[in-house]
Amino acid sequence: GNSVTQMEGPVTLSEEAFLTINCTYTATGYPSLFWYVQYPGEGLQLLLKATKADDKGSNKGFEATYRKETTSFHLEKGSVQVSDSAVYFCALNDYKLSFGAGTTVTVRA
Amino acid sequence: NAGVTQTPKFQVLKTGQSMTLQCAQDMNHEYMSWYRQDPGMGLRLIHYSVGAGITDQGEVPNGYNVSRSTTEDFPLRLLSAAPSQTSVYFCASSRLRGQGVEKLFFGSGTQLSVL
Repeated sequence: GNSVTQMEGPVTLSEEAFLTINCTYTATGYPSLFWYVQYPGEGLQLLLKATKADDKGSNKGFEATYRKETTSFHLEKGSVQVSDSAVYFCALNDYKLSFGAGTTVTVRA
Repeated sequence: NAGVTQTPKFQVLKTGQSMTLQCAQDMNHEYMSWYRQDPGMGLRLIHYSVGAGITDQGEVPNGYNVSRSTTEDFPLRLLSAAPSQTSVYFCASSRLRGQGVEKLFFGSGTQLSVL
């Protein structure tokens, strides 16, 4: 069945460092791909999405590009802040959302 | 606009007890779902519904029942609680479009402990 695999954490960075979280997917057809973020003590919220190959989703300085040739949707941010500390989930839409295991990111001042 | 409302926020049960986690949304979403979140395992889908009167199983349905008698409500029932059901539970809803789930809106979660 369809699934996503994302890099395991935890990831610890200093402020202004570059962040990459890898996500690859297995799917039949061309599902939509998502990144969700969960801040401490809260539910998940949508960070960005891409609905077709070569689409780039972006929000709050984060970007991810839907790469069909490598079946990937890696999340990147050029300069992280302490407020970016959260758990990030890659997800795939195959009529019900399938989530990766989550990557915990901690940004230190 | 309340969005997705889950109750209770915290619950402690004894093994064998039953209870219902409530979920309501006021966005007229067709799709509603329940996930459990466990350390190192991400979110796993328990049950979902694509409309009133229609429910289906997710990855980990055993020990849980759901029903969808209205568009707004999607309660999750634990029939006989077990320690393995200790987890954080999230309800989520979405509109449905051609490719399925458009964007999930999550409730704030229920932390359940089964002793």
